[in-house]
Amino acid sequence: GNSVTQMEGPVTLSEEAFLTINCTYTATGYPSLFWYVQYPGEGLQLLLKATKADDKGSNKGFEATYRKETTSFHLEKGSVQVSDSAVYFCALSDRRDDKIIFGKGTRLHILP
Amino acid sequence: DGGITQSPKYLFRKEGQNVTLSCEQNLNHDAMYWYRQDPGQGLRLIYYSQIVNDFQKGDIAEGYSVSREKKESFPLTVTSAQKNPTAFYLCASSIVVDSNQPQHFGDGTRLSIL
Repeated sequence: GNSVTQMEGPVTLSEEAFLTINCTYTATGYPSLFWYVQYPGEGLQLLLKATKADDKGSNKGFEATYRKETTSFHLEKGSVQVSDSAVYFCALSDRRDDKIIFGKGTRLHILP
Repeated sequence: DGGITQSPKYLFRKEGQNVTLSCEQNLNHDAMYWYRQDPGQGLRLIYYSQIVNDFQKGDIAEGYSVSREKKESFPLTVTSAQKNPTAFYLCASSIVVDSNQPQHFGDGTRLSIL
C-alpha cells in the first residue's frame, strides 16, 4: 500500500540556517504530494503541493521538488526564522484511493 | 471569512459517556474528514464523507460514529466503546475527494478523560 516516511525530529537549527526535512514515499500509482505545517494548538495548513514528477512546489520561502526517480519530496528553505518553528507533515494522495496518507510529522525548533 | 470551525476546543469526558465533537464548514466543500492525532503517530483517518447522507470508515473507525445530514456539518461522536479516546481530533474538508485537492483543517478539539 501507499506510505510516507519522513525524518524523525525534533530538528533544531539556529535562525538563518539552511533547512532540509527529508520525505520519501511508496505508491503504486502517480500520487500528488503535499507539505502541511502545524503551529502549536492549531490544525494543519497546506504549505505547498506538487501534482506530477519534476513539479516544484513553493510558498513562504519553502520549496520541494517531486522526484519520481528517488520517490522523494524533500522540504527545503534557505534561511529559517524563529516563526518557522512548527511540526511539518509530508503527505500523498493517490487517484485510486480516497485518502490522504500523512507522514508522522517532523518537529522543527528554530533558535534565535 | 470561509473556514472550518471545530468546537469545543477542549472537551472532558467521564468514562462510559458518549461525547460529540462539532465540525462546521462554510467553504461549500463536498468532502469532509475526521482525523485523530496522537503524539509521534501523525494523523489517522477515522471517517470521511464525500456527500450528504453518505460516509465511509477510515482506518480507525471502531468506537466512533458520524452523521452527515447537512453539507456544512459533520459531527463526530466518541462512544464509550472507544477505550483510549484521549487525543487531538482534527476535522478537514476538501472540494471533492480528489487527489489534487488539498484538505483544509479546523483548529482541532482536544479530548481528555476524567
